[in-house]
Amino acid sequence: SQTIHQWPATLVQPVGSPLSLECTVEGTSNPNLYWYRQAAGRGLQLLFYSVGIGQISSEVPQNLSASRPQDRQFILSSKKLLLSDSGFYLCAWAPGRATDTQYFGPGTRLTVL
Amino acid sequence: AQTVTQSQPEMSVQEAETVTLSCTYDTSESNYYLFWYKQPPSRQMILVIRQEAYKQQNATENRFSVNFQKAAKSFSLKISDSQLGDTAMYFCAFTRVASGTYKYIFGTGTRLKVLA
Repeated sequence: SQTIHQWPATLVQPVGSPLSLECTVEGTSNPNLYWYRQAAGRGLQLLFYSVGIGQISSEVPQNLSASRPQDRQFILSSKKLLLSDSGFYLCAWAPGRATDTQYFGPGTRLTVL
Repeated sequence: AQTVTQSQPEMSVQEAETVTLSCTYDTSESNYYLFWYKQPPSRQMILVIRQEAYKQQNATENRFSVNFQKAAKSFSLKISDSQLGDTAMYFCAFTRVASGTYKYIFGTGTRLKVLA
């Protein structure tokens, strides 16, 4: 069966520090991968998605970036965090077609102080 | 552009009662998929139910069922025999069936509290 992992689970970082959040999927190959952010009391905002290694689509211009160095690994990064980057970050995967169900990881709670 | 609207930010229901969560969407597409996801206090997003637009029959999953009204662009979720474990945020989501489409559009969510 497929599983999706995210780490760390929680993170507290000072403003201006770098960020690296990792997401990995097991039990499938060539998944579509997604990064979402959920601000307090808000819905899900799609940040990035990837349909293959090295293929990244950005939905929201900001100081975040994403990379997919391996088929089942998706990384969310920032060189300098802002206060507004605080939130709950969710990674998701889908088998491949547009209409496939997306399956979510456990999330990372990021607090920028 | 497609949009998804959940007009009920918060709802509550007594245990064992039935509750309906509303979702409306706007699209010019004729073929698409709709989803309801549940996010309990643990924050893990879990798929509740999925509906294909070209299927007129409403989807059901145990105590969860939908009322899909394509002409009205409405996709409500009915939870029967509510249980304390149903307490969660519920998100409605839409994706269209089109080449090169990989994205979901989510509503802002409805916070449901089941009361003992």
